[in-house]
Amino acid sequence: GQQLNQSPQSMFIQEGEDVSMNCTSSSIFNTWLWYKQDPGEGPVLLIALYKAGELTSNGRLTAQFGITRKDSFLNISASIPSDVGIYFCAGPKSNAGNMLTFGGGTRLMVKP
Amino acid sequence: SAVISQKPSRDICQRGTSLTIQCQVDSQVTMMFWYRQQPGQSLTLIATANQGSEATYESGFVIDKFPISRPNLTFSTLTVSNMSPEDSSIYLCSVSPGQETQYFGPGTRLLVL
Repeated sequence: GQQLNQSPQSMFIQEGEDVSMNCTSSSIFNTWLWYKQDPGEGPVLLIALYKAGELTSNGRLTAQFGITRKDSFLNISASIPSDVGIYFCAGPKSNAGNMLTFGGGTRLMVKP
Repeated sequence: SAVISQKPSRDICQRGTSLTIQCQVDSQVTMMFWYRQQPGQSLTLIATANQGSEATYESGFVIDKFPISRPNLTFSTLTVSNMSPEDSSIYLCSVSPGQETQYFGPGTRLLVL
């Protein structure tokens, strides 16, 4: 089945540093989604990507849909303490309409 | 995006009992889903809640253990039946208004003793 491999699994960075995380798959995806889950909350959609090569920003966040359609990355610039949380990539299961498969998540910790 | 609420937000239950979790959306949506997130893990889809028909379960999940209701386009329930400590997880509902995106509720944190 389709699997999303997310890396790194965790990151511990200093406030103000830039962050980069990525998601890869052996299968082609037509949509890439990036979510953030704060402690004790449900995942919140950050960025949705619908076209290969697409580069989309949301404030300090930038995400790109890889040209091969098998990968995506999420960058966070000038990290702040509230960026702490778990970041998940997700994509629709093949031939399954709106059903999603999720990566394992990247746990981000920011030291003030 | 839709506003989604879940009840209860958390619960502590005894093994062998059942808990019903409610999910309410502020607008009509065709697609609603239930996920489980075990401690320290990613999200795993339990089932798609279909309005007016039986839910569609993923491999490894069965109706007897996780009965689901979907009486209308804004509401669904998930029951965790005959609970054991292994059922301790966060249970999340989500909705999909289209374009293959999903929006999640705040989750229900379940601890089974």
